Amino acid sequence: QQQVKQSPQSLIVQKGGISIINCAYENTAFDYFPWYQQFPGKGPALLIAIRPDVSEKKEGRFTISFNKSAKQFSLHIMDSQPGDSATYFCAALSGSARQLTFGSGTQLTVLP
Amino acid sequence: DADVTQTPRNRITKTGKRIMLECSQTKGHDRMYWYRQDPGLGLRLIYYSFDVKDINKGEISDGYSVSRQAQAKFSLSLESAIPNQTALYFCATSELGTEAFFGQGTRLTVV
Repeated sequence: QQQVKQSPQSLIVQKGGISIINCAYENTAFDYFPWYQQFPGKGPALLIAIRPDVSEKKEGRFTISFNKSAKQFSLHIMDSQPGDSATYFCAALSGSARQLTFGSGTQLTVLP
Repeated sequence: DADVTQTPRNRITKTGKRIMLECSQTKGHDRMYWYRQDPGLGLRLIYYSFDVKDINKGEISDGYSVSRQAQAKFSLSLESAIPNQTALYFCATSELGTEAFFGQGTRLTVV
């Protein structure tokens, strides 16, 4: 049972465009929502994160939008660059065990 | 040097063989995790440990075992490898359970 559903599975965007990746969750106990970025041959690395008491968080060209009532959150990459080409995972954290539950991943390709 | 080091980076093994994947960290974190990554399935938690005496099963622990030899070392074993355990395996550490720091992964192929 996948508790965090991520879409799309793959995304191709032109340089300078906006990349949007969406995630939906079911468990209302989740209280921390990070996004991880993974380059080929590397482990995932934290990109940006948000807590549910905030509707938006922006760091440079990366923005998380959070809709608590809909149990959805999304990553927006503005002015997408070829160097942003990577796999992106949304995740959610809950409970005393503080376990991360990951989405299935989105492979982003930014064309030059 | 990497903060989270996994060995080996690549391994091919035969069905039925026992194999151990090792992870060591220099971040001083108490929490360590083993994940498995498969295309289209994301990262799934196999086992996690909050200290040397604390080992917990994750979402997909069947067929796997772990050992926390020290605060800095956490190994994953496949007692009798099978082809559907072919995957990319990641070790991760965390201080407070929020940000996880991942190793570079071990690509395991079971033939």
